[in-house]
Amino acid sequence: NSKVIQTPRYLVKGQGQKAKMRCIPEKGHPVVFWYQQNKNNEFKFLINFQNQEVLQQIDMTEKRFSAECPSNSPCSLEIQSSEAGDSALYLCASSLETGSAETLYFGSGTRLTVL
Amino acid sequence: GEQVEQLPSILRVQEGSSASINCSYEDSASNYFPWYKQEPGENPKLIIDIRSNMERKQIQELIVLLDKKAKRFSLHITDTQPGDSAMYFCAASNYAQGLTFGLGTRVSVFP
Repeated sequence: NSKVIQTPRYLVKGQGQKAKMRCIPEKGHPVVFWYQQNKNNEFKFLINFQNQEVLQQIDMTEKRFSAECPSNSPCSLEIQSSEAGDSALYLCASSLETGSAETLYFGSGTRLTVL
Repeated sequence: GEQVEQLPSILRVQEGSSASINCSYEDSASNYFPWYKQEPGENPKLIIDIRSNMERKQIQELIVLLDKKAKRFSLHITDTQPGDSAMYFCAASNYAQGLTFGLGTRVSVFP
């Protein structure tokens, strides 16, 4: 069972509003991933961190999202100005390391609805 | 980056029969292939995985096969039950971005 904790479970925002979600990775896991799963069930990688450093992020995340993983605090992903197309399930996962065959367990996700 | 194709997109099987889902990948460096089951309104849950040093793995009614030469892997659910109805996703490990997922297979088990 996953020990990744995500909050809130549901988030409803108006267009143009900020939308912030949080993730507490499994204890001892320095690597955190964020994925977006849209209504067509497609997964999109957004960003990943190792400790507090960004490893990789897609263009959309760089331009429209604010993400961080501070030490001793939950990781967060924030959309600066929500758009209707941002409505999706946002999934956080953590692992011990990148690259090698590391299992990813997902948190319960934050389901964002942008009205 | 890695690309993963998953087929079929929809699979209806009779209770007690087997269900098979096939995936293919492009990056020969991918070395880890998990399968996730996702029920409506829930997060994806890891059900079985296989690493590149194996060709076959079985956990109870789940069997995964990996053909590295052909860059294909598959999930077989034997003796399907109503509780097996869900979306199933295959994925391949990609160094930079963690996992690359297939588009999913909606499995429906009917009596």
